[in-house]
Amino acid sequence: AQSVTQPDIHITVSEGASLELRCNYSYGATPYLFWYVQSPGQGLQLLLKYFSGDTLVQGIKGFEAEFKRSQSSFNLRKPSVHWSDAAEYFCASTSGTYKYIFGTGTRLKVLA
Amino acid sequence: DAMVIQNPRYQVTQFGKPVTLSCSQTLNHNVMYWYQQKSSQAPKLLFHYYDKDFNNEADTPDNFQSRRPNTSFCFLDIRSPGLGDAAMYLCATSRSPGDSPKNIQYFGAGTRLSVL
Repeated sequence: AQSVTQPDIHITVSEGASLELRCNYSYGATPYLFWYVQSPGQGLQLLLKYFSGDTLVQGIKGFEAEFKRSQSSFNLRKPSVHWSDAAEYFCASTSGTYKYIFGTGTRLKVLA
Repeated sequence: DAMVIQNPRYQVTQFGKPVTLSCSQTLNHNVMYWYQQKSSQAPKLLFHYYDKDFNNEADTPDNFQSRRPNTSFCFLDIRSPGLGDAAMYLCATSRSPGDSPKNIQYFGAGTRLSVL
């Protein structure tokens, strides 16, 4: 069965530090992969997506993610975190059907 | 500019009193979804509409119903809310999976439901 794992429930970084949020997927073929961000009390905003092709994808707000088939991973990165990046981040996958499989989310705290 | 609009943003209801949440979209997408999200959890899909075809998730309680009168609007009805139904309810839309881009879901800001 398809699954998405986000191993880190909480991550704390200092403002200006680099960030990497981990996501591992389980699926026989190459899934479609997404990262969403959710600010408190808000809906989910799409940061970036991977369907095929170049394995390093650029997104909004300075985020990027790298698809690594050998590691079944799609980790999200940002070189320098801003205080406004504090939020919850969800990795999701789909095999091309309607249903998204979400990870359990990683809550990011940014220290001033 | 808002593409998926949910009203109201906050809803308070009483135990057992029916409540309706609404969602509208300006994207002209075929598919509309309703998710339930409890605190510190991932969104959980309740059901989705593909045009007028309703698709219920197997574990969605009968207490939850939905209506889609036209392409733009979709409603979530909770017939007899219990305390366990207090949550954020998210509406999302997408093109059909066979279209491009591949099933990107666009979410509304959500409605936070409190049950007293």
